[in-house]
Amino acid sequence: ETGVTQTPRHLVMGMTNKKSLKCEQHLGHNAMYWYKQSAKKPLELMFVYSLEERVENNSVPSRFSPECPNSSHLFLHLHTLQPEDSALYLCASSQGRTEQFFGPGTRLTVL
Amino acid sequence: GDSVTQMEGPVTLSEEAFLTINCTYTATGYPSLFWYVQYPGEGLQLLLKATKADDKGSNKGFEATYRKETTSFHLEKGSVQVSDSAVYFCALSNAGNNRKLIWGLGTSLAVNP
Repeated sequence: ETGVTQTPRHLVMGMTNKKSLKCEQHLGHNAMYWYKQSAKKPLELMFVYSLEERVENNSVPSRFSPECPNSSHLFLHLHTLQPEDSALYLCASSQGRTEQFFGPGTRLTVL
Repeated sequence: GDSVTQMEGPVTLSEEAFLTINCTYTATGYPSLFWYVQYPGEGLQLLLKATKADDKGSNKGFEATYRKETTSFHLEKGSVQVSDSAVYFCALSNAGNNRKLIWGLGTSLAVNP
C-alpha cells in the first residue's frame, strides 16, 4: 500500500449505530487530519493530530470522536449521528505543516 | 481572516479548449498557494503549488502564477482533455495562521469529447 488509505470506502448507518472510520498513511508523515466534505460547502477541517497529539478541534460535535494511536493511523469513531452528518470524510497527512496528501475518502450515509 | 475565492462552476469545455479557473485570495503576509484536484470518486490530489510571489507552479500541463499585486493564482491549461474532468480547489497556507489550509469552494470542470 502506498500513500493514504481509508476504510471503508462506503458506509451506511442508522442514527443509533456506532461505527469507526480508519485512515492509514504510508508516507512517514507526522501530522494527520480529518475533513468533512459536503456538497456546496467549503472543505471543513475537523481535527488535526501532530505527533499523535490532537492540536486542533474545530467545534466538532462530540458524536465524532477521533483517535490517533500512532503516527500512521487515525480513526474517527461515530455514534448517534444525524442525517446531516452524511458526507464524504477525508483523511490527510503531512510532514509538519507542508502540503497535505489525501486519502480517497469514506462516503457516509446516515439514515 | 484569510480567505480564498474561486469562480463558480460548473465549467463545461470541449476537448482541446483553453481553460482558466480564477482564484483570488485575502491574506496577511506571504502565504503559499495551492491547486488541488479531485477526480470523481477520489480524494484530493495536489496539482501544483507556489510559495512566493511571481513563482509559477506547473504540472500535467496546468500552470498557475502567484501574483501578489492582484492577489491571484489563476489556473490555466492550454488544451484540456476529457480526463481533466474533475473538481479543482484553490487553497492557501499562511504561517500567520499556523499554516492551516484555507480552501475555496471548488470549481467543477466537465470536458466533452
